[in-house]
Amino acid sequence: DVKVTQSSRYLVKRTGEKVFLECVQDMDHENMFWYRQDPGLGLRLIYFSYDVKMKEKGDIPEGYSVSREKKERFSLILESASTNQTSMYLCASSSGQGSNQPQHFGDGTRLSIL
Amino acid sequence: GEDVEQSLFLSVREGDSSVINCTYTDSSSTYLYWYKQEPGAGLQLLTYIFSNMDMKQDQRLTVLLNKKDKHLSLRIADTQTGDSAIYFCAENHSSASKIIFGSGTRLSIRP
Repeated sequence: DVKVTQSSRYLVKRTGEKVFLECVQDMDHENMFWYRQDPGLGLRLIYFSYDVKMKEKGDIPEGYSVSREKKERFSLILESASTNQTSMYLCASSSGQGSNQPQHFGDGTRLSIL
Repeated sequence: GEDVEQSLFLSVREGDSSVINCTYTDSSSTYLYWYKQEPGAGLQLLTYIFSNMDMKQDQRLTVLLNKKDKHLSLRIADTQTGDSAIYFCAENHSSASKIIFGSGTRLSIRP
């Protein structure tokens, strides 16, 4: 079975802090994704990556950056956390080229910015 | 534009069938997906259907695809309390190289 592991289930940080959310997958998947999930808005894509050291902006990249130094790990960085970044963050991975393969999700990180 | 739409809530009686509906916009979508999210968890892939199929059945789950109307549905037979969750419809959006998710339908089961 595919395993996508997010390092924290719950995280509380302060406004202005630099925040790192880590995601690791164990199935040698090429593609990795970061979403945020907010009530009534569904899932919104922040950033994604189709290969090591490669990144592409999703629909809402402002205030975020990502790092993919190794194939199995995709990190989401909040450069200077703000209260409107309080949300549930979901990482996903998929195999193959492009977006046709189903995405497999981690359990999510519920981030609160105070 | 790209859009996947679902109703936000559905309530059914335990033992009845649940039907969750979804409409999408990309007529060139190759795959359409149904995901399930239980409270406090991530999304779990339930099933998916290729665009050249009309129907797919997997135990209590039946997926119907009407390509002409760009309509996808998920039927859960004999709905149980463990089926309480949010169900997301999603399509792969060929022109944008990404998967587009609906806002999710919250299924609640009443006794």
